[in-house]
Amino acid sequence: EAGVVQSPRYKIIEKKQPVAFWCNPISGHNTLYWYLQNLGQGPELLIRYENEEAVDDSQLPKDRFSAERLKGVDSTLKIQPAELGDSAVYLCASSFLWGRQFFGPGTRLTVL
Amino acid sequence: DQQVKQNSPSLSVQEGRISILNCDYTNSMFDYFLWYKKYPAEGPTFLISISSIKDKNEDGRFTVFLNKSAKHLSLHIVPSQPGDSAVYFCAASAEGAGSYQLTFGKGTKLSVIP
Repeated sequence: EAGVVQSPRYKIIEKKQPVAFWCNPISGHNTLYWYLQNLGQGPELLIRYENEEAVDDSQLPKDRFSAERLKGVDSTLKIQPAELGDSAVYLCASSFLWGRQFFGPGTRLTVL
Repeated sequence: DQQVKQNSPSLSVQEGRISILNCDYTNSMFDYFLWYKKYPAEGPTFLISISSIKDKNEDGRFTVFLNKSAKHLSLHIVPSQPGDSAVYFCAASAEGAGSYQLTFGKGTKLSVIP
């Protein structure tokens, strides 16, 4: 069974530029999560989707971050404009309902 | 305020010996605890979990112990193998195994020396 797929794996951009991350969850998993992991820290939830609905986005900085999950499958997380402090690993995870979460490999973002 | 604390950033253990990774929590509402393992350039993978109604859960070489009165849990790996070298994250939730809301610690980097 294929795991959670994320792309790109690495991204380097200059500050103020936009950036987007893509996630394809495990087939059949209706719940999708985006996490932020700063260096030396554990993952922190940014947003959770149940199917195509964002049911918890309380930790998403909405001034510059946005996310979508069209058709309830793939999801995209966008940052516009990126700031130096956004350098981190962005993890996507999926689960069936509220079951065990399976994580993708993450996208490592470096903002210069 | 960090609700899940892993106070040891790193741990080195000889191959074949026991590895003990510790985790403390402050939120009394937490009732389900998980350990995730993370290799470099990979996402965290689930290792083992325990519900607050138990004080021990075992899976092969991995055992998790929970002391609710002390708000402390530990992961024991016996015997430790070089392939166990990774970062281990403790996580907790407040609504049991069916909760999506996981709070993670900062992780402990385990190095198993051959």
